[in-house]
Amino acid sequence: DGGITQSPKYLFRKEGQNVTLSCEQNLNHDAMYWYRQDPGQGLRLIYYSQIVNDFQKGDIAEGYSVSREKKESFPLTVTSAQKNPTAFYLCASSIPWREATNEQFFGPGTRLTVL
Amino acid sequence: QQPVQSPQAVILREGEDAVINCSSSKALYSVHWYRQKHGEAPVFLMILLKGGEQKGHDKISASFNEKKQQSSLYLTASQLSYSGTYFCGTVPVGEGGKLIFGQGTELSVKP
Repeated sequence: DGGITQSPKYLFRKEGQNVTLSCEQNLNHDAMYWYRQDPGQGLRLIYYSQIVNDFQKGDIAEGYSVSREKKESFPLTVTSAQKNPTAFYLCASSIPWREATNEQFFGPGTRLTVL
Repeated sequence: QQPVQSPQAVILREGEDAVINCSSSKALYSVHWYRQKHGEAPVFLMILLKGGEQKGHDKISASFNEKKQQSSLYLTASQLSYSGTYFCGTVPVGEGGKLIFGQGTELSVKP
């Protein structure tokens, strides 16, 4: 079955440590996205990538980094520079987004808690 | 700028109807609707495009007023499975297709 996987589902880290969240898709989608979700604030775009080896900052990129070395994979690193990293992180993919006419498919999410 | 959804929350009895609204201050190319169950991934419901085209599930209906930059999602004869948080995502004209989500509307359907 095609879909998006994120791992782990729950992640605990100490303050000051970098942590990498995994996102893999087998939908053959070119575009991938990372969102952060906090209670009552909806989904906010962190980074997005329309093609391998290319990515752009979203609205809240500070303190995060990404890579896109393979079409299937778009890992997100939460660095120690992110002041409030505790949140629910969602990865999504779609057919290239410039047309904005195609839905995004979401992974199950990773809940990160920084202690 | 984030679109504004209303109401923020609504409680229904099974079989009742509800309308969720989404309003943007910018001219829009399209509006997307998603539903999220607690702790799960958002699931696509519908896309409404400038010019009147729609893509989505047959059992969901929605409208898009391009002039007012507003969209409404219509939930009729609600079922328990309709419970969840509904998000609209707007795609402003001339911003490269980036999807900007509203803060969500929490819908609870009671027996």
